[in-house]
Amino acid sequence: GIQVEQSPPDLILQEGANSTLRCNFSDSVNNLQWFHQNPWGQLINLFYIPSGTKQNGRLSATTVATERYSLLYISSSQTTDSGVYFCAVAVSGSARQLTFGSGTQLTVLP
Amino acid sequence: EAQVTQNPRYLITVTGKKLTVTCSQNMNHEYMSWYRQDPGLGLRQIYYSMNVEVTDKGDVPEGYKVSRKEKRNFPLILESPSPNQTSLYFCASSSRWQETQYFGPGTRLLVL
Repeated sequence: GIQVEQSPPDLILQEGANSTLRCNFSDSVNNLQWFHQNPWGQLINLFYIPSGTKQNGRLSATTVATERYSLLYISSSQTTDSGVYFCAVAVSGSARQLTFGSGTQLTVLP
Repeated sequence: EAQVTQNPRYLITVTGKKLTVTCSQNMNHEYMSWYRQDPGLGLRQIYYSMNVEVTDKGDVPEGYKVSRKEKRNFPLILESPSPNQTSLYFCASSSRWQETQYFGPGTRLLVL
């Protein structure tokens, strides 16, 4: 099956800093999503972005499908950004199921 | 309020005692799915449904059943739970397959 690798696995930032999270995948995809799991376990959708660039406030994401990677940018990080960030993908032409990466654990210090 | 709800939120049961975890969404979404999350293994898809009466297996379907008789509901059934099904379970839905998914709050299950 498709391989999804996220980096870095862990990231510690001071409040106000910027960060870039990366998601590499091993096959062509027709579905790519970014999620945030907060410290209480709740999973929140951030972006549906199989290609191109999107922005939502301090967060933005870019997917370069031809090169099989996606980036999530967090600017001016806040303590509430802490948690685990997952990307999830589905292979083009395959069944309608998502495969998740192992996540990036982000800790933002005050 | 648009949401995905799951019940129960926490459940302790014993091996072999059939249980059902309910999932309901009020957004008229076509696509619904169940995931389990385990330490070190991440999130894995159990079953998904493209629409009413259309379901299919995900990556880890063994030991689970689902049904989709109504658009809003997608229950997860464990006919004979075993300790290796102890996990955190999430239901999710999206308007179509190629749209962002919205997750329920999770159900934490412990099978003794």
